[in-house]
Amino acid sequence: EAGVTQFPSHSVIEKGQTVTLRCDPISGHDNLYWYRRVMGKEIKFLLHFVKESKQDESGMPNNRFLAERTGGTYSTLKVQPAELEDSGVYFCASSPLLAGGNEQFFGPGTRLTVL
Amino acid sequence: AQKITQTQPGMFVQEKEAVTLDCTYDTSDQSYGLFWYKQPSSGEMIFLIYQGSYDEQNATEGRYSLNFQKARKSANLVISASQLGDSAMYFCAMREPGGGSARQLTFGSGTQLTVLP
Repeated sequence: EAGVTQFPSHSVIEKGQTVTLRCDPISGHDNLYWYRRVMGKEIKFLLHFVKESKQDESGMPNNRFLAERTGGTYSTLKVQPAELEDSGVYFCASSPLLAGGNEQFFGPGTRLTVL
Repeated sequence: AQKITQTQPGMFVQEKEAVTLDCTYDTSDQSYGLFWYKQPSSGEMIFLIYQGSYDEQNATEGRYSLNFQKARKSANLVISASQLGDSAMYFCAMREPGGGSARQLTFGSGTQLTVLP
């Protein structure tokens, strides 16, 4: 069974440009999370989808960030326009909806560098 | 708000020795979950072990065990018989209360473990 995948693995853009990150969760996982780790700091929660609905987006830093999960499958995270402080590693994780599984399965992350 | 503290930015251990990575947490909730993840240099986050706040036994998974001291609010990870492949960043995390197992995780700042040959 395929794990959580993320695309691209690396992205280097200039300040002011737009970048879209993609996450494909494990098939059948209704919970999808976005986290990010800014250089040297903790991994911070951004938002949580249950199927196609945003369950919690309290961690989104500002309105330059837009996450979608149309159809409840893959998710995209768009940063527009990107700023220098957006540089970091963006992780996606997924988990089944029903209780019984405690683990969130993480993807390999997308390393975003804003110049 | 939940808070996770990992006070050891870096640790060194000799191969085949045991090592303890510290983690303390702060919460006013009675029901919570604690996790440890490993992040090798390749970048992926690998789940290691889970401890529920109501679990009476300390969690164990192979060479990993969690020294859970609820009254002290600590959840230290013990790695026995360290291997060179254990060199990685280790994150302690807590699951936010409410909503069963679906809530997001709060992470500590991580400990970089280096296993010496």
